[in-house]
Amino acid sequence: QQQVKQSPQSLIVQKGGISIINCAYENTAFDYFPWYQQFPGKGPALLIAIRPDVSEKKEGRFTISFNKSAKQFSLHIMDSQPGDSATYFCAASTGYGQNFVFGPGTRLSVLP
Amino acid sequence: EAQVTQNPRYLITVTGKKLTVTCSQNMNHEYMSWYRQDPGLGLRQIYYSMNVEVTDKGDVPEGYKVSRKEKRNFPLILESPSPNQTSLYFCASRLTGNQPQHFGDGTRLSIL
Repeated sequence: QQQVKQSPQSLIVQKGGISIINCAYENTAFDYFPWYQQFPGKGPALLIAIRPDVSEKKEGRFTISFNKSAKQFSLHIMDSQPGDSATYFCAASTGYGQNFVFGPGTRLSVLP
Repeated sequence: EAQVTQNPRYLITVTGKKLTVTCSQNMNHEYMSWYRQDPGLGLRQIYYSMNVEVTDKGDVPEGYKVSRKEKRNFPLILESPSPNQTSLYFCASRLTGNQPQHFGDGTRLSIL
């Protein structure tokens, strides 16, 4: 019930295209859903996050869509750029304690 | 500059030789965590701490110890390292349980 599933494992997109990464969770106590971006040799860095009282959040080219009833959320990267090539992790957490669970990650490659 | 600092960044050692990976944060965060990152498994939490002298096990605590004697420091101790602990390790901190995590740049451990 603590698991967060993420797909696809890897994704190749042409420059200017849309990248979509999907995540699903089981624990209905989760109330914070961040996405992290990780470049080689670096730690994950927060990209964008959403709380379950909204269905969508947009920051620049990055959008989170959240479906509470389906227990799913997704990251959309519009106008994907080669500089977006990285590994992306979704995560979910509760308001207290150790429950901060990461998905297995998606390696995104944006071709020039 | 707000940051989480880990040392060393790289370490090659042998089975059974005790080692410590240090972690320090300068953001006055309450929560600190240790994760290991393995291909296809994402980030798995080893231990976490909600405050000074308060620590608890994460998902994969076997073979590791931690301590939190000061708010800013959270060292990870491998008393008798084994080859299955070869991995990439990240320390992270956050203000409270439901806030973004800030990660260090990682420590790559190789246990021969």
